[in-house]
Amino acid sequence: KNQVEQSPQSLIILEGKNCTLQCNYTVSPFSNLRWYKQDTGRGPVSLTIMTFSENTKSNGRYTATLDADTKQSSLHITASQLSDSASYICVVSARGGYQKVTFGTGTKLQVIP
Amino acid sequence: DGGITQSPKYLFRKEGQNVTLSCEQNLNHDAMYWYRQDPGQGLRLIYYSQIVNDFQKGDIAEGYSVSREKKESFPLTVTSAQKNPTAFYLCASSIDVRSTDTQYFGPGTRLTVL
Repeated sequence: KNQVEQSPQSLIILEGKNCTLQCNYTVSPFSNLRWYKQDTGRGPVSLTIMTFSENTKSNGRYTATLDADTKQSSLHITASQLSDSASYICVVSARGGYQKVTFGTGTKLQVIP
Repeated sequence: DGGITQSPKYLFRKEGQNVTLSCEQNLNHDAMYWYRQDPGQGLRLIYYSQIVNDFQKGDIAEGYSVSREKKESFPLTVTSAQKNPTAFYLCASSIDVRSTDTQYFGPGTRLTVL
């Protein structure tokens, strides 16, 4: 069964600090991995997408890494801002069409002043 | 201003009633999706549509129905057969259903059963 597990479930950090969120998956055959940001009460917004051959992708202060051998990904947030407070969802797609998309449960990040 | 709109933002339903959630997109996307989000769980697929007049059941289609009469619109009806409908509902669209296509999400509708 395809699974995506994220850790930690929740995280509180001080404004200006860095943090790293983890995603482990057992999706096969692997196609791509995305990180989404979801503000409370809003729809998710795509941050990055990585395919098998990519091991890092940046979007401003967000940097995602992928280790396809160990089936792990991380999302690193640099110099956090209050606006980074949100849930971050890891989404892994298998090759072969839509039905093979698996969503993680998300990490809820709170940045405090 | 391109994007996906959902209405209403909040919806209250009495037990035994059917309710319809609206989803419209002006991105010219062929594929549209409905998801349900519950606390502590990942998004779960209810229905998706690859093209007008065609749609497929997702993982949790029981108690829900959809239609796709226009490319821009993909309404979801939550029927009285859905035993636990209180949840946050998200609509999304993508160019196609290929796994490499990015899905763009609407702002969501929060449904509460009274």
